[in-house]
Amino acid sequence: QVQLDQSGAEVRKPGASVKVSCKASGYTFTDYYMNWVRQAPGQGLEWMGMINPGGGRTTYAQKFQGRVSMTSDTSTSTVYLELNSLTSEDTAVYYCARPFSSGWGFFDSWGQGTLVTVSS
Amino acid sequence: EIVMTQSPATLSVSPGESATLSCRASQTVFTNLAWYQQKPGQAPRLLIYGASTRATGIPARFSGSGSGTEFTLTISSLQSEDFALYYCQQYHNWPRTFGQGTKVEIK
Repeated sequence: QVQLDQSGAEVRKPGASVKVSCKASGYTFTDYYMNWVRQAPGQGLEWMGMINPGGGRTTYAQKFQGRVSMTSDTSTSTVYLELNSLTSEDTAVYYCARPFSSGWGFFDSWGQGTLVTVSS
Repeated sequence: EIVMTQSPATLSVSPGESATLSCRASQTVFTNLAWYQQKPGQAPRLLIYGASTRATGIPARFSGSGSGTEFTLTISSLQSEDFALYYCQQYHNWPRTFGQGTKVEIK
C-alpha cells in the first residue's frame, strides 16, 4: 500500500532554513506529483506547491515563491521541501500528500506530518 | 486565488443525529471539490471527491452534493468517531485552496 514517511521534527531560529523529507513506497514514485501542505497550530490547511518527481518540474504557491524549493531523488523515492528565511509564522506541521491519481488535484495519501518550530 | 468559505465554524450535534456542513467557493469550481476529515494529531483523510463520490472505504453515511460554488457534506446518524474537523478543498485551479474548517463536536 502507499506509504509516505516523513522526517522528524525540527527546531530552527528565525532567518534559518529547514529541509523536510518524504520517502514514498508502495507505488511507482515517478507516476504521481507530490504536493506539500502545511498547517499552523490550530489553523487550517495551506497548499504550498508540488513537484513532478521524475522530471523535477515544480509549481509553487505564489505566497512561497522565492523562498521554497521542492526537489526529488528518484534513487531513494524521496522528495524534499526546503523553506528559507524562516519566521515564527512558518511554525507548522508540514505534510507531503500524493494525489488520488496522476493529474488529479486532491489527495488520498498523506505523510504523518513533520512539525517545524521556528523560535529564537 | 479561489477562496473557500466553510460554515458554520462549529457544529454541535448529538450522536445519532445528522450534520450538514457547507462550503462556498468565491468562483465556480464546477465539481472539482473534495472533503477531508481530520482528527487531532492526524493527517487529513479523504472522504469525498468530485463533490459527491465517496473515497474508498468511506461509510455511506457520508454524502456530498453541490456544484459550481455551493457544496454540502452531510453526515447522517453521527457516530462517535465522526466528531472531528472537516475541510473542503477545491482543485479546479491553482493554488489549491482549502476552507478554514468546520468542527463537529458532541452536543
